[in-house]
Amino acid sequence: QVQLQESGPRLVKPSETLSLTCTVSGGSINNYFWNWIRQPPGKALEWIGYIHYSGSANYNPSLKSRVIISVDTSKNQFSLKLNSVTAADTAVYYCARADNDFWSGSPNWFDPWGQGSLVSVSS
Amino acid sequence: EIVMTQSPATLSVSPGERATLSCRASQSVSSRLAWYQQKPGQAPRLLIYGASTRATGIPARFTGSGSGTEFTLTISSLQSEDFAVYYCLQYNNWPPFTFGPGSKVDI
Repeated sequence: QVQLQESGPRLVKPSETLSLTCTVSGGSINNYFWNWIRQPPGKALEWIGYIHYSGSANYNPSLKSRVIISVDTSKNQFSLKLNSVTAADTAVYYCARADNDFWSGSPNWFDPWGQGSLVSVSS
Repeated sequence: EIVMTQSPATLSVSPGERATLSCRASQSVSSRLAWYQQKPGQAPRLLIYGASTRATGIPARFTGSGSGTEFTLTISSLQSEDFAVYYCLQYNNWPPFTFGPGSKVDI
């Protein structure tokens, strides 16, 4: 079955850029929406954005000015860049897949998820 | 943005008892709602999608219901492995997709 694995630096300095990659194994990256979701310690889940395999992206308006999500179909990977980070961006970052709604073509629920990667923002 | 609320924040129950969790949307999300279970140190696990369809491998004791703005997750007879935090997710109106704040089920 499809598995997702996040990778990237676990510690980022304030004002710098957080970069994570999600590698998809056991299936193709084509025909799905690929999402980033985060969870600050002890808090709820927050959707960051998605990239469609075609390259179209959509972001949470609250983060839109700082986020770029990209896809590399040749490597079966997609990536997150969040710039100008502060301590408030410290969180477990998850990648997750959403398939297409048959009728609307919109993303459906998120499943499966990666195991998550704790990224801390600190000097 | 659709705001999701969940109640109760914490539910204390005994094994074998029934647990009923509520999720409310600030406007209609039709039936485009999912439920997730999360245990400490783990990624969320999909339980229910389409408000009432159990995901693959999810036991029948988990039941989702509702549509529009009011949704319920019922666990008919709690097992020890069911003690966790439960989140609802709306995927009808976006961006952004929005999660509820979670309901913790503890002993």
